[in-house]
Amino acid sequence: DSGVTQTPKHLITATGQRVTLRCSPRSGDLSVYWYQQSLDQGLQFLIQYYNGEERAKGNILERFSAQQFPDLHSELNLSSLELGDSALYFCASSVDLQYNEQFFGPGTRLTVL
Amino acid sequence: AQTVTQSQPEMSVQEAETVTLSCTYDTSENNYYLFWYKQPPSRQMILVIRQEAYKQQNATENRFSVNFQKAAKSFSLKISDSQLGDTAMYFCAFMKTTRNTGTASKLTFGTGTRLQVTL
Repeated sequence: DSGVTQTPKHLITATGQRVTLRCSPRSGDLSVYWYQQSLDQGLQFLIQYYNGEERAKGNILERFSAQQFPDLHSELNLSSLELGDSALYFCASSVDLQYNEQFFGPGTRLTVL
Repeated sequence: AQTVTQSQPEMSVQEAETVTLSCTYDTSENNYYLFWYKQPPSRQMILVIRQEAYKQQNATENRFSVNFQKAAKSFSLKISDSQLGDTAMYFCAFMKTTRNTGTASKLTFGTGTRLQVTL
């Protein structure tokens, strides 16, 4: 157990819908990363937050957004869902910007029908 | 931009034998880390081993060791005395850092190598 929690574990929804994925980092970790793992795109970085502020953006679609709250948990919002958004979404956390090891949560498997 | 290439989609090894997984990367950065992550059927991402680019000595973690060739931009993983529990997808990953501030960044992953350990 990495100490990073993600809810829900599984999510099944329809095209056009909106969902929210939640991540709680390890106790004391200030930095949160979101990654998407899909069959065609592999594992790719979406976005990073540090202590409530957006730090870096990767290949994140405009339909996707994220935020990190004062208690340091983070949410990834996916809207106008398409079939191709079906993937495993990972959250990872690290102590701060200088610490290189990222601890991954168990992931949320999103299926868009 | 950095790229990470794993040219072996699948590999198989017998229990107790040794196997080497290959990884090459392309970057113009001088300061970075390289990682191997393991993803078993449970889908959990587990850090196996980490190598700092400025260290010449190859990292070792129990049965896992790396062969880091900086000039060749090669970072292979050797698993000794393979066990059934080593069956998993293995991902090579790159992370750029800023040496002065130590600022870490995102992970860039390769496409993975599926390793099957057989009896």
